[in-house]
Amino acid sequence: SQQGEEDPQALSIQEGENATMNCSYKTSINNLQWYRQNSGRGLVHLILIRSNEREKHSGRLRVTLDTSKKSSSLLITASRAADTASYFCATASNFGNEKLTFGTGTRLTIIP
Amino acid sequence: DTEVTQTPKHLVMGMTNKKSLKCEQHMGHRAMYWYKQKAKKPPELMFVYSYEKLSINESVPSRFSPECPNSSLLNLHLHALQPEDSALYLCASSQGRARGYTEAFFGQGTRLTVV
Repeated sequence: SQQGEEDPQALSIQEGENATMNCSYKTSINNLQWYRQNSGRGLVHLILIRSNEREKHSGRLRVTLDTSKKSSSLLITASRAADTASYFCATASNFGNEKLTFGTGTRLTIIP
Repeated sequence: DTEVTQTPKHLVMGMTNKKSLKCEQHMGHRAMYWYKQKAKKPPELMFVYSYEKLSINESVPSRFSPECPNSSLLNLHLHALQPEDSALYLCASSQGRARGYTEAFFGQGTRLTVV
C-alpha cells in the first residue's frame, strides 16, 4: 500500500524556474526521504529529513516537513534540463522496522 | 563502494520457468529490500530483510520467494509467474534501524518480462 500522495502528478516548467512538489503521508514516521528516478531505472537518494527537523537544504534542493499536517515539500531552484525525472517521497516507518514506503511520485519536465 | 549490483539487467521467462534475480552490496548494510515497479507507478515494497532475517512480507504471492544467503547477498526466486508480474524489480539496501534509519541505495533493477 502507498503511504504518500504527491502532487502535482506532473509538472512542466521552463529551465531556470523553480519547481515545487508536495507529499502527504498517513502514519507516524521516523524520517522522510526524497528520491529521483530517471527513465524507469534505479532510484537515487536526494535528501533525508528527520521527524524532528522542519527544513533542510542540499545544494539547489530545499525540503520542508510539517509533521502536524503530515506533509512535506521539495523545492528545486534554478532548474536545469538534467533535472527532468520522476521524483518520489518515501517515508521510513517509526514502528521499529525498516519499512520504506514510496509516494505516488511527480513527473518533472524541464523545458530548455 | 556505494553500489548495489543487480543481475540480470533484463530477463524474459515463460510462465513455467524458474529463475532467480540477484542483488549484491558491499556497504555493510544490514537491511535489504525488494521492490516491484510497474510503468509510471511508484515502487511497491515486497520484502524487507533485517540482519539476514525476513522482517517484512507485504502479502506477496508465494510464486516470489526471497532468500538472503549472507549479509551481502539477496536473491528473489521466481516460479510459475504470470504475465502481470512483468515489471522492474528493484533491490535496495540501507544501514537499517541500528544506525537510525538512513537513506536507501538502489540497484539499477531487473526488467522482467513474463511470456
